[in-house]
Amino acid sequence: EVQLLESGGGLVQPGGSLRLSCVVSGFTFSSYVMGWVRQAPGKGLEWVSAISDSDAGTHYADSVKGRFTISRDNSKNTLYLQMNSLRAEDTAVYYCANSRPGSGFWGHWGQGTLVTVSS
Amino acid sequence: QTVVTQEPSFSVSPGGTVTLTCGLSSGSVSTSNYPSWYQQSPGQAPRTLIYSSNTRSSGVPDRFSGSILGNKAALTITGAQADDESDYYCVLYVGSGIWVFGGGTKLTVL
Repeated sequence: EVQLLESGGGLVQPGGSLRLSCVVSGFTFSSYVMGWVRQAPGKGLEWVSAISDSDAGTHYADSVKGRFTISRDNSKNTLYLQMNSLRAEDTAVYYCANSRPGSGFWGHWGQGTLVTVSS
Repeated sequence: QTVVTQEPSFSVSPGGTVTLTCGLSSGSVSTSNYPSWYQQSPGQAPRTLIYSSNTRSSGVPDRFSGSILGNKAALTITGAQADDESDYYCVLYVGSGIWVFGGGTKLTVL
């Protein structure tokens, strides 16, 4: 059974930092593109970032570019999202998801972790 | 900046058919955008319904179908049921490792 489990969310002050983790099981992590998608309270889904399977190429939405860094540790089956210079508008549930290379879609999703940016 | 458009809301009668669409501000949606559709109930993670325009994800009932209609991607629900009442999102791959979600459609079954 495919499982993705996010952690690391919480309350942080504006300008602060947080690192999210997503531990996966049930599929060959190193063979999948991985990504983060967020959802602000009462709002729609927003793609945040993705990292490729092999060469670890990274991509970001304009809204987080320069502030967020996605990375992966294939030996630990873990995906990360380092979030710096956090703003109130970054408040959201953050989901991790996987994608088979070349498929163009997000197949499996975690349950999400809530990040609240507030003073 | 690329914008993906969806109807904000839609209503369908039980047993009826509804088609939700997904458009692209910069032109036509094509298979190279790998249109996919997701269903999300309140407080739940998204569930993958359709990928590559028209392929149903494992376990998805065949009343859900995807297509490209004209210049948009489309999700059709045939024989809508009460538990189809959810939010529906499309996402398009716009190249260079970037995906863009639509704003979502809130579907009411009544």
